[in-house]
Parts: sequence; structure tokens; C-alpha cells
Amino acid sequence: GAVVSQHPSWVICKSGTSVKIECRSLDFQATTMFWYRQFPKQSLMLMATSNEGSKATYEQGVEKDKFLINHASLTLSTLTVTSAHPEDSSFYICSASGWGLADLSEQFFGPGTRLTVL
Amino acid sequence: GQSLEQPSEVTAVEGAIVQINCTYQTSGFYGLSWYQQHDGGAPTFLSYNALDGLEETGRFSSFLSRSDSYGYLLLQELQMKDSASYFCAVRDLGANNLFFGTGTRLTVIP
Repeated sequence: GAVVSQHPSWVICKSGTSVKIECRSLDFQATTMFWYRQFPKQSLMLMATSNEGSKATYEQGVEKDKFLINHASLTLSTLTVTSAHPEDSSFYICSASGWGLADLSEQFFGPGTRLTVL
Repeated sequence: GQSLEQPSEVTAVEGAIVQINCTYQTSGFYGLSWYQQHDGGAPTFLSYNALDGLEETGRFSSFLSRSDSYGYLLLQELQMKDSASYFCAVRDLGANNLFFGTGTRLTVIP
């Protein structure tokens, strides 16, 4: 149990376009989802936290108008990178916690999405 | 804020034991977790210490000393497949966020 999926697993886009990444909890209700970004050979940096039905809380330095997060249901959160630029190229990972888990606070990670902006 | 420091790289021989340290500065946290991440993959949970002391899970053990702001992950009977990056992480008291350490890349050699 506790499976989190992400789609797509990788995406290549042109500079200036927008890209949507989906994160789904497959066997539990994700009351909270987290979005991380990881540059090569670096650590995971939390971008934002979203609770179902509420606006996301963004970490300092993360532009909320550029990284749009929607968590409209208990099984789906989306991250849209708007007007993507090459510096947005990174590995984006979501995680989820919530009802149906033995530990409500434990986070389960998706497989990640590799974004390359040309 | 949260700050977790780890050695950037460690190399060890197959079959040996390796310890990966994590020193931290936090404003308060529930406990120290450890994650493994292979290249291009997602982090996978290894171990969690809520209290001081040693937690053992198979070949992996983790230790926490809150008084020393220090923890470590111990990997025994190293296998080639253990080559990966290892991250310590703390769960923030307020928002249940995970803050990750700088990460240690472990290379296991024959």
C-alpha cells in the first residue's frame, strides 16, 4: 500500500511554455501533498505544501505565480510550471500523507518527473 | 530554520560497514529520518528515530542523540546495490514538512 504516482515521468518542453505535472495517491486519501525540487547532485528542496481544498503554502523564494499548485481532490495534486525557462529544468518530486496510513504524518514519495526546458 | 549537514561522499568496500553522519541545527523537530535515493529515482524511507538511541532494521541501523544534535545511519554487510545517495531529514514541528540534509553519495566498490 501507500503508492504515489506521478505523470509524466519525464517531459521536454520549449522555453515559454507551461507544463503540468500530476501527483496521485493510489490507495489512500492524501490530505496533504508536498512538492519538492531537486537539482543534479543536490538535496530535495521543499517548494510548497498543499492541503486538500486549500491554497498551497509556498516556501520562501518559490514564486507562487510561476509554480501553480492545485489540490482539488483527496487523490490528486497538480503542479503547473508556467512560462518555463531552462533554469526550471529539474527533477520534481511529490509526496503525500493522509488518511488510510498507519502514521498520518508519514510521507510517501512519487517516482518524480524530470523536466527539461530547451 | 533547519540545517542538516552530511559528508558529501563516502566510498566503502562490499561487505564492509559504513557510517553516514548527520549533524543538525533545528528550531524543533519530531525526529530524524533517513532516506535512500538511487539515481533518477524517488527517495525511499529507511529508518526513523523519534527518541535517542539506536534503531535497527535489518542491515540498516540509525542512531540519534538530541543532546549532541547528531545522528548517523549505519549500513552493514554492504552490497553493490547500496550505492546511492542517503539523506537525513527532520519533520518540522509546525507544518509537518520534511527538511532534507545535504545528502551523502555512497559508492560501494568490489
